[in-house]
Amino acid sequence: EDKVVQSPLSLVVHEGDTVTLNCSYEVTNFRSLLWYKQEKKAPTFLFMLTSSGIEKKSGRLSSILDKKELSSILNITATQTGDSAIYLCAVVYDTNAGKSTFGDGTTLTVKP
Amino acid sequence: NAGVMQNPRHLVRRRGQEARLRCSPMKGHSHVYWYRQLPEEGLKFMVYLQKENIIDESGMPKERFSAEFPKEGPSILRIQQVVRGDSAAYFCASSPLRGMNTEAFFGQGTRLTVV
Repeated sequence: EDKVVQSPLSLVVHEGDTVTLNCSYEVTNFRSLLWYKQEKKAPTFLFMLTSSGIEKKSGRLSSILDKKELSSILNITATQTGDSAIYLCAVVYDTNAGKSTFGDGTTLTVKP
Repeated sequence: NAGVMQNPRHLVRRRGQEARLRCSPMKGHSHVYWYRQLPEEGLKFMVYLQKENIIDESGMPKERFSAEFPKEGPSILRIQQVVRGDSAAYFCASSPLRGMNTEAFFGQGTRLTVV
């Protein structure tokens, strides 16, 4: 059965800390891995990763894929209270059928 | 570009009634995906549609649930004879390319409450 597992399920840090969120997957016919940030409502896109070892970066956020380990990490440096959200990892594993599986998310709380 | 529009944002139905959730994709997007999110859980894939076609409905419950994406108008997710367990947030996403192997844009979701 295809699955995506995120860890930790929840995390509480203080402003300025650095956090690393993990996503591991077991799917057939892997295509890409996507990270989303979900605050009050709709998930918003962060990164799409298809190639192993290439870091994607946007401000204080960065992410990298390790196809050998079937995993990805999302790093957030110098966290701010506005980073508090649920971070979702999704794996696309069948482009033609549009199949994707989401993990249950990591709930990040950044305290002032 | 208004983005993916879902309505209503909140929907309350009594057990046994029908729920209709609407999703208008972003302009230029012809691929629509529906997801359900239960409290404390991630997004679960339900169905993938293109205009007038259901591409993959492997995540849809076999009974009471149906989806369509007509040539004109929004995509509709229909739940007949709702039960308490249908209470959830339903999200719609759209993308311009076949399959979700690209950035998919999400709507704000419809929160369905069955009383």
